[in-house]
Amino acid sequence: DSGVTQTPKHLITATGQRVTLRCSPRSGDLSVYWYQQSLDQGLQFLIQYYNGEERAKGNILERFSAQQFPDLHSELNLSSLELGDSALYFCASSARDNYEQYFGPGTRLTVT
Amino acid sequence: GNSVTQMEGPVTLSEEAFLTINCTYTATGYPSLFWYVQYPGEGLQLLLKATKADDKGSNKGFEATYRKETTSFHLEKGSVQVSDSAVYFCALLTGTASKLTFGTGTRLQVTL
Repeated sequence: DSGVTQTPKHLITATGQRVTLRCSPRSGDLSVYWYQQSLDQGLQFLIQYYNGEERAKGNILERFSAQQFPDLHSELNLSSLELGDSALYFCASSARDNYEQYFGPGTRLTVT
Repeated sequence: GNSVTQMEGPVTLSEEAFLTINCTYTATGYPSLFWYVQYPGEGLQLLLKATKADDKGSNKGFEATYRKETTSFHLEKGSVQVSDSAVYFCALLTGTASKLTFGTGTRLQVTL
């Protein structure tokens, strides 16, 4: 158990809908990262937050957004969902920038 | 940009065989290197890491040595078990970005 929690574990929704994925980092970790894992793209970095502020952006679509709250949990919002958004979404946390990252169990999103 | 290249899988071995999974990287600066393991239906677990040249990371019988001259970080284990069957990801982290850059993953299947 990494100490990073993610909910829900599975999510099935229809095209055009909006969903929110939630992540709680390990106790004391200030950085939260979101990654997408798909069969065709592999593991791709989406976005990083550090202590409530956006720190780095990767291959994140404009339909996707994230935030980190004062209690350090983070949410990833995915809107106008398309079939191609079906993937595993992982959250990771680290104590500080450029330090080892610990991953949560992931949320499997299926868009039908 | 940064990139990680892993050997194609799947790798199929008999129990107690020797394992090598090759990983080479391209990076600006001096990256930290990691191996993560993903068991079926689970998230990524940090297996081992090395933060500077000639460092050897080790955990659970797995080892990898950071070779700057060959830009490699090959994963080895002297005697694999059926329980080691999983997908193994090589990854790097540099000082210029906090995101992990992953290889495509190598599936290991160990049979009795």
